[in-house]
Amino acid sequence: AQSVTQLDSQVPVFEEAPVELRCNYSSSVSVYLFWYVQYPNQGLQLLLKYLSGSTLVKGINGFEAEFNKSQTSFHLRKPSVHISDTAEYFCAVNDGGATNKLIFGTGTLLAVQP
Amino acid sequence: DAGVIQSPRHEVTEMGQEVTLRCKPISGHNSLFWYRQTMMRGLELLIYFNNNVPIDDSGMPEDRFSAKMPNASFSTLKIQPSEPRDSAVYFCASSFAGELFFGEGSRLTVL
Repeated sequence: AQSVTQLDSQVPVFEEAPVELRCNYSSSVSVYLFWYVQYPNQGLQLLLKYLSGSTLVKGINGFEAEFNKSQTSFHLRKPSVHISDTAEYFCAVNDGGATNKLIFGTGTLLAVQP
Repeated sequence: DAGVIQSPRHEVTEMGQEVTLRCKPISGHNSLFWYRQTMMRGLELLIYFNNNVPIDDSGMPEDRFSAKMPNASFSTLKIQPSEPRDSAVYFCASSFAGELFFGEGSRLTVL
């Protein structure tokens, strides 16, 4: 069975500082990996995804993530955050497309302070 | 495209009442998912459909919950009877090529 672990429930950071949100997964099969963002009172929106190919994936709003198979990680990074990046971030995994079923982590609240 | 459309956006009801949440997926998407989000449990997958057929309903909490997808453009999630612990935001999502597209959610409060 697949699972996703987001170790940090909340990450406070000052504006213009770099940030990394951690995600580790477990799976016995090849996987597809995703990061979604949820702004207050809204649904989830896709930030980026890894399906295959280059392990460094670039997404919207200046975010990027790196797939590390040996460490089973897919950490999300941004070199300089803005106040508007304050939101809940979810890492998700599915079974490489065998089904469309996504399993989500518990989320990390990124709190950007001025 | 208008995206995934959910209704109602907000519902307040009393314990014991029937609740029906509705979802219109994005046209052409062949998978539909119902998730529930709470502070305590995070995002939980309740059920998903492929080509209108329920594939995995192992996340449905109990028999009070039921979901249907009579055609490719409509799905319902019903709770009967509702209980205060069902209070949550319920999200519908449709999928294409492994990517999920979420609706804005239905916030349910059961008093």
